[in-house]
Amino acid sequence: QSALTQPPSASGSPGQSVTISCTGTSSDVGAYNYVSWYQQHPDKAPKLLIYEVTNRPSGVPDRFSGSKSGNTAYLTVSGLQAEDEADYYCSSYAGSDTGVFGTGTKVTVL
Amino acid sequence: QVQLQESGPGLVKPSETLSLTCAVSGYSISMSYYWGWVRQSPLQGLEWIAVIFYTGRTYYNPSLRSRATISRDTSKNQFSLHLTSVTASDTAIYYCVREGLRGFYFDSWGQGTLVTVSS
Repeated sequence: QSALTQPPSASGSPGQSVTISCTGTSSDVGAYNYVSWYQQHPDKAPKLLIYEVTNRPSGVPDRFSGSKSGNTAYLTVSGLQAEDEADYYCSSYAGSDTGVFGTGTKVTVL
Repeated sequence: QVQLQESGPGLVKPSETLSLTCAVSGYSISMSYYWGWVRQSPLQGLEWIAVIFYTGRTYYNPSLRSRATISRDTSKNQFSLHLTSVTASDTAIYYCVREGLRGFYFDSWGQGTLVTVSS
């Protein structure tokens, strides 16, 4: 299993939107609607933002949204805020009771 | 609200066995969900290691299956990871996690514990 591919970095000004891609294959992202996204601040554990491509856990602002097209999933952060500056990771079910994480994207709020 | 807390040695010698325990509070691990381990290192990024279902069935990352064992003690509401024959590449922050019932997502994480493999 290879890690899902994410851009190393992304940035935006406060109030703007930023979209992060997560590219896999037809065996993971493309095969299942089981993509999730995590936010990780420095020296903290990851926090679940999105599961099953588009679902937000209770307490996650609706500024965070997920989507998928083919073998690529996307996380969009709308109305960017200073506290959104963090690392973001995707993950996907990959069949046979296994899964894989993405390489991570560092989001900078300009 | 479920809480997870890792414990174990922070330093392990090469070729020895890494052993970690996760104490769970606020939810019974024998009631539902998967319970497991994810690690993070600068080189490997985030890596799923193994989970144990509330029924006791276990699942492993194929790349670690030969060295990893996950087990549980329901009387103490905790689960453990043993990773044999460790090398420097096993140096990482190890998180215990709760996995949702479907879809490979982790909705609760421990704070993480750094394990360094060095002589």
